[in-house]
Amino acid sequence: KAGVTQTPRYLIKTRGQQVTLSCSPISGHRSVSWYQQTPGQGLQFLFEYFSETQRNKGNFPGRFSGRQFSNSRSEMNVSTLELGDSALYLCASSLALDSGALYEQYFGPGTRLTVT
Amino acid sequence: GENVEQHPSTLSVQEGDSAVIKCTYSDSASNYFPWYKQELGKRPQLIIDIRSNVGEKKDQRIAVTLNKTAKHFSLHITETQPEDSAVYFCAATVDDKIIFGKGTRLHILP
Repeated sequence: KAGVTQTPRYLIKTRGQQVTLSCSPISGHRSVSWYQQTPGQGLQFLFEYFSETQRNKGNFPGRFSGRQFSNSRSEMNVSTLELGDSALYLCASSLALDSGALYEQYFGPGTRLTVT
Repeated sequence: GENVEQHPSTLSVQEGDSAVIKCTYSDSASNYFPWYKQELGKRPQLIIDIRSNVGEKKDQRIAVTLNKTAKHFSLHITETQPEDSAVYFCAATVDDKIIFGKGTRLHILP
């Protein structure tokens, strides 16, 4: 079974631009979560999608948005980029992620975004 | 609120000794506690997890303990080896999402 994949792996953008990152979950996984990883802050939760619906959102500004398609692939978008958005963006997929059925979460390799 | 505290932030142990990383959580409804290992330049990998109906779980040199009353859980690595050097993250479910601690950088000294 193929693992979680993310594209692109590296991205350089300038302030004010917008960016779209893509995540393809493990086949059969319906839950996709996104995280921002920066040195010293660890993994900060952005949002989680299940069956094309955003079920949870972290404490990030509205510039960060996402969506999930019917095949469970997910995209996240960051508009009006700021220098502080430079980070590794990780997605993780799971069969399900709710109190009734907790399954292991598997991470993709991440997209390293640099904003100049 | 949603909070997972992890200590220490850095840990150095002699090869062959044991390492212990501790985490506390604030949501009494948390019921799933995974641990991830992230080597330099790589993605986080799930190494062990525990659910709230279990107090301890072991997998070879790795064990996790959970104290629901005190709301803390710990990762124990015995007989440490150079390949154990990495950043370790604890996490807990909060309202159907997984919240991570800030990580512990583990150094195994020769």
